[in-house]
Amino acid sequence: EAGVAQSPRYKIIEKRQSVAFWCNPISGHATLYWYQQILGQGPKLLIQFQNNGVVDDSQLPKDRFSAERLKGVDSTLKIQPAKLEDSAVYLCASSLGTGGDTEAFFGQGTRLTVV
Amino acid sequence: DQQVKQNSPSLSVQEGRISILNCDYTNSMFDYFLWYKKYPAEGPTFLISISSIKDKNEDGRFTVFLNKSAKHLSLHIVPSQPGDSAVYFCAASGSNFNKFYFGSGTKLNVKP
Repeated sequence: EAGVAQSPRYKIIEKRQSVAFWCNPISGHATLYWYQQILGQGPKLLIQFQNNGVVDDSQLPKDRFSAERLKGVDSTLKIQPAKLEDSAVYLCASSLGTGGDTEAFFGQGTRLTVV
Repeated sequence: DQQVKQNSPSLSVQEGRISILNCDYTNSMFDYFLWYKKYPAEGPTFLISISSIKDKNEDGRFTVFLNKSAKHLSLHIVPSQPGDSAVYFCAASGSNFNKFYFGSGTKLNVKP
């Protein structure tokens, strides 16, 4: 079974530039998550989709971050404009359900460096 | 507001000995707990989980213990191996939640 695919693996951009990340979840997984992991911290949920609808985006900085999940499968996360504090690993995960007794499966992440 | 806490940033253990990683939570509504392992430059991988109806779950060398009254869980690795060296994250969720809450992680170093 293929895992969660993310691209790119690494990205370096200057502040105020824009960047986009792509995620392809495990086939059949209805729930998709985008997490931000800053060095030394645990993953923090940015946005959660159930199929192509947003379930939770309470911690997404909506003035600069946006995400979409077209047709309930692939998803993109965009940052525009980027700030230095956005430097982090961006993890995409998917699960069959939403919390409860199901686990989330993570991709390898995209390491973003904003200079 | 951090609802899941891992107070030990790092732990060093000799190969063959037991590793004990601890996790505390504050929300009594959590009823499902997970441990993830993360190697550098990789995403977290699911390791083991436990439901609140149990107080112990075992999978090979890995055992998770849950103490609901203390809102505390721990991961035991016996015997520890150098390949276990990684960052371990505790996470919590539940039937009343639609997301996972993660701790800040504990970096385990198993010395040969």
